[in-house]
Amino acid sequence: EVELVESGGGLVKPGESLRVSCAASGFSFSSAWMSWVRQAPGKGPEWVGRIKSKGDGGTTDYAEAVKDRFTVSRDDSRNMWYLYMDSLKTEDTAIYYCTTYNRNNGWHWGQGTPVTVSS
Amino acid sequence: EIVMTQSPATLSVSPGERVTLSCRASQSVNNKLAWYQQKPGQAPRLLIYDAFIRATGIPARFSGSGSGTEFTLTVSSLQSEDFAVYYCQQYNHWPPYTFGQGTKLEIK
Repeated sequence: EVELVESGGGLVKPGESLRVSCAASGFSFSSAWMSWVRQAPGKGPEWVGRIKSKGDGGTTDYAEAVKDRFTVSRDDSRNMWYLYMDSLKTEDTAIYYCTTYNRNNGWHWGQGTPVTVSS
Repeated sequence: EIVMTQSPATLSVSPGERVTLSCRASQSVNNKLAWYQQKPGQAPRLLIYDAFIRATGIPARFSGSGSGTEFTLTVSSLQSEDFAVYYCQQYNHWPPYTFGQGTKLEIK
């Protein structure tokens, strides 16, 4: 069974950095593409960034709102994905979810980790 | 960026009724369309992917249809646990994958 578990969220001040993690199990991690999605309080979900498998180039893509501030990475030896967030703004306050798509059973989400950016 | 538009924003219905939610894409997303249910304090729960395939464990009263730019989610007979917010999401075009703004199902 696919399981995604996020961790590392917390309270930070504007301009600070934070790294959140996603531990994955139950599927072929090295061949999976992974995305980070966030949801601000009272809002709908918003795609943040994506990383392809190394076999597909390992490239990353980002939403305009976070480009040049956020970095998605992966450690296939540990079945871990990461989202490094730099120069955080108050509008980055949200629950951050890791997600992955499998053509056999669709999208899988973790339970999310909350990030609050406030002075 | 593909814009996903859901209608209506809010729908007041009674348990046992049949309900249809709509999702429109600003350009074709083929069949790369998912539907989610979200309750307060919970992560979105996948209901439908690839426009019409029910996710594992999803009751048969949920069904999805459509392709291209027009999609629908139908709940054949609403149960009390179905009152929630529903989102559609396209994953045919990047960047970015985009969500609709949501439809809230509330009890009449």
